[in-house]
Amino acid sequence: AQTVTQSQPEMSVQEAETVTLSCTYDTSESDYYLFWYKQPPSRQMILVIRQEAYKQQNATENRFSVNFQKAAKSFSLKISDSQLGDAAMYFCAYRRNYGGSQGNLIFGKGTKLSVKP
Amino acid sequence: ETGVTQTPRHLVMGMTNKKSLKCEQHLGHNAMYWYKQSAKKPLELMFVYSLEERVENNSVPSRFSPECPNSSHLFLHLHTLQPEDSALYLCASSQALSYEQYFGPGTRLTVT
Repeated sequence: AQTVTQSQPEMSVQEAETVTLSCTYDTSESDYYLFWYKQPPSRQMILVIRQEAYKQQNATENRFSVNFQKAAKSFSLKISDSQLGDAAMYFCAYRRNYGGSQGNLIFGKGTKLSVKP
Repeated sequence: ETGVTQTPRHLVMGMTNKKSLKCEQHLGHNAMYWYKQSAKKPLELMFVYSLEERVENNSVPSRFSPECPNSSHLFLHLHTLQPEDSALYLCASSQALSYEQYFGPGTRLTVT
C-alpha cells in the first residue's frame, strides 16, 4: 500500500525568507501524481502545486517549487520569499494515475508552517 | 456561489441523533468525495462517487451513509455516531477521477 510521510510536524520561517517542507512516499508504481495542498486556518484546502511522476522537470508555481527525486521517493516543497499569507497546514499527497482507485488521494499528516513578521 | 460549498459548517449532535451533511459543487464536475480529517491523523478518504455511482468505500462504518442524487450534490447521512467520529468532514469534487480535486471548507462535527 502507498504511504506518504511528512516528518516535520511544524516549521517556522521568517517573512521574505525561504523554507523547504519535506515529503517522502512509498509506492511500487511508476505512474502517479504528487501534490502539495495548503489548508489555511479558514480550512479550505487549496492545491498549491502538482508533479507528474513521468516528468523529470520539477514543477514550479510562482514562489512555490518542488524538488522531485523519483528514485529517492522524495517530494519537497520550497517556498521562496515567504509571506504572512503562506502560514497554513501543508499536506503532501499521492495519487496513482491508472486503473482502479484513481481518485484516491493519499495524504501525509501535514506540516504546520508559521511565518514570522 | 462558486466552488465547493458545505453545510452546515459546524454541527454538534448526540450519539442518538440523525443528521446529514450536505455538499454542493458548482464546477460542473463528475466526481465527488468525502474525507474525514481527525487531529494528528492524515486525511482519510471515506467515499468516492463518479457519475453518481459509488466507486469507493474505504471500510467506513455503516453509521455513515452517503448519497449522491446528482453530480452536483453529495450528502453524508449520520446516525448513532460515536464520540470518536468527531472530526472535520471535507467534501471534494473533480472533473473526473483522474483530475485535481477541489475541496470545500468542511463541516466541523462534534459528537457528544
